[in-house]
Amino acid sequence: RKEVEQDPGPFNVPEGATVAFNCTYSNSASQSFFWYRQDCRKEPKLLMSVYSSGNEDGRFTAQLNRASQYISLLIRDSKLSDSATYLCAVRASYNTDKLIFGTGTRLQVFP
Amino acid sequence: EAQVTQNPRYLITVTGKKLTVTCSQNMNHEYMSWYRQDPGLGLRQIYYSMNVEVTDKGDVPEGYKVSRKEKRNFPLILESPSPNQTSLYFCASSLEFGPSEQYFGPGTRLTVT
Repeated sequence: RKEVEQDPGPFNVPEGATVAFNCTYSNSASQSFFWYRQDCRKEPKLLMSVYSSGNEDGRFTAQLNRASQYISLLIRDSKLSDSATYLCAVRASYNTDKLIFGTGTRLQVFP
Repeated sequence: EAQVTQNPRYLITVTGKKLTVTCSQNMNHEYMSWYRQDPGLGLRQIYYSMNVEVTDKGDVPEGYKVSRKEKRNFPLILESPSPNQTSLYFCASSLEFGPSEQYFGPGTRLTVT
């Protein structure tokens, strides 16, 4: 089983739709969780950290479910500019800066 | 402007010809890391450095070397490149060893024939 798993997609959604991605992780001791956005052939950029109580940033909501060991990203009112690959990243413990990335979920928003 | 730079951005080379990919950050970050990204495998860490003269292996270190003689620079060295090292490489840095954001460089697309 991979340490961090994502559905590769693509998720094809119309503008204005709400879409959600999940990311599962295998190490129950994982401490920190992130969502990164990566445009085609460009570098990943941090979209948002994921906090235990869940957090929201505009149209984006991230949640953590420790019991089931997954994090989620919800995008409301999708825009064309949201088309990208969304990578989840998990840090195993506080004494390492090693991030383990999922392979990414591709989102395509169409007019 | 705060940034991580990599050079070259694109490189085509032949098997066995030593090469170096440079990485530099201007944010005074302590932690730096190299990743490679391959279709279906995602980003995998090659090496990382917690500070000057402190480096350690990531998940896929075979065939690579690194050095950290200065805080801002973290070059990746391929002593004898092979075709299985054809990949997209990213350098990243973060302020501290812990749950801080990693900033990525623009990437280096390497092809080894």
